[in-house]
Amino acid sequence: AQTVTQSQPEMSVQEAETVTLSCTYDTSESDYYLFWYKQPPSRQMILVIRQEAYKQQNATENRFSVNFQKAAKSFSLKISDSQLGDAAMYFCAYRRHGSGNTGKLIFGQGTTLQVKP
Amino acid sequence: NAGVTQTPKFQVLKTGQSMTLQCAQDMNHNSMYWYRQDPGMGLRLIYYSASEGTTDKGEVPNGYNVSRLNKREFSLRLESAAPSQTSVYFCASSLTPSYNEQFFGPGTRLTVL
Repeated sequence: AQTVTQSQPEMSVQEAETVTLSCTYDTSESDYYLFWYKQPPSRQMILVIRQEAYKQQNATENRFSVNFQKAAKSFSLKISDSQLGDAAMYFCAYRRHGSGNTGKLIFGQGTTLQVKP
Repeated sequence: NAGVTQTPKFQVLKTGQSMTLQCAQDMNHNSMYWYRQDPGMGLRLIYYSASEGTTDKGEVPNGYNVSRLNKREFSLRLESAAPSQTSVYFCASSLTPSYNEQFFGPGTRLTVL
């Protein structure tokens, strides 16, 4: 069975600084997607960034980028120039791709990010 | 476009009571999902419907039932609520199971006393 682990329950960063959130996963499959979701205090789940496992190039979305290490099964999120609005809980998630995919997302435990002014 | 809507937003039940959580999407998506979120455990899949007319169990289905009423609506029913079902419930939808993004509703905070 696939598992996703976020070992940092809480992180903090100074406004305008850079922070990296860690995520590791376990799977025996070679074809999958990885995601980072943001959950602000409003509770709304917002997709931040996604990575296809077959792509070697790391995904980027404006101030958000990932470091995808397939062999190490590591998928970290880097937030550059942190803003107060980045304060939220961040979830790493895994989804199988290809045959037998049900769309099921497997989530990590979450990391609460505090941004200090 | 309202996206994914859920009702109610908050609910308090007594042990043994029943209730139905409603979910609807207006994006013409084929696949719909119910997750529960508990502290320190992330979100876990309860049930899903890959397409209209089909439903399947997820990771934590015990104590729940679902109905895919039509393409738009996917409801989650608690027949006899237990304190262990105190949680935040999220409905999500995607165009297909393989689509790159699931869209989430605002969640329902349920407390069972």
